[in-house]
Amino acid sequence: SQQGEEDPQALSIQEGENATMNCSYKTSINNLQWYRQNSGRGLVHLILIRSNEREKHSGRLRVTLDTSKKSSSLLITASRAADTASYFCATWGASGSRLTFGEGTQLTVNP
Amino acid sequence: GAGVSQSPSNKVTEKGKDVELRCDPISGHTALYWYRQSLGQGLEFLIYFQGNSAPDKSGLPSDRFSAERTGGSVSTLTIQRTQQEDSAVYLCASSLGDSLGNRNTIYFGEGSWLTVV
Repeated sequence: SQQGEEDPQALSIQEGENATMNCSYKTSINNLQWYRQNSGRGLVHLILIRSNEREKHSGRLRVTLDTSKKSSSLLITASRAADTASYFCATWGASGSRLTFGEGTQLTVNP
Repeated sequence: GAGVSQSPSNKVTEKGKDVELRCDPISGHTALYWYRQSLGQGLEFLIYFQGNSAPDKSGLPSDRFSAERTGGSVSTLTIQRTQQEDSAVYLCASSLGDSLGNRNTIYFGEGSWLTVV
């Protein structure tokens, strides 16, 4: 399996609920990033968390990083229908030159 | 420009033909990346350019794929003798990629949708 695996693969919730997506990775990282992709569109950067950080907030987004467990979570609070998209975590290895992406979580927020 | 620009946005080509995909990164970004995304899948790394350094080509799937970056700015991804399995979205991205090796945020273009028939 590859670096950066998200779970669940698909998540369906009602508007107003919180959505939590998880990401696991295998090797040491410099940072971990979360991206969003609307159907048929390019990726939009949401948030970057460095390996020496444990938690970061941006608006309705909260990202945590546990380097001992090699895992991260993305929490979207008070979800909206417009949050419907695929969410990808991506890791930049401590010695690498590339951002390695997981398979993504498809989030559907029902009005 | 304001963002990463890719062209064409859509391309339909016949099997066996060559295609060229173009990427114009954000002005001032020294790092440029190409990724490929098949339908419903994650992103597959293809190639990385950083300044004047030799590119990291380790993700190119076969010798039919090549890429160049002229003048440290615009990049072209070329696929020769296209096959149906080459059908995918080809995404270009750029970042500041500073000399200290800090891994900056990567900004993506909208992608070039390639369909090989």
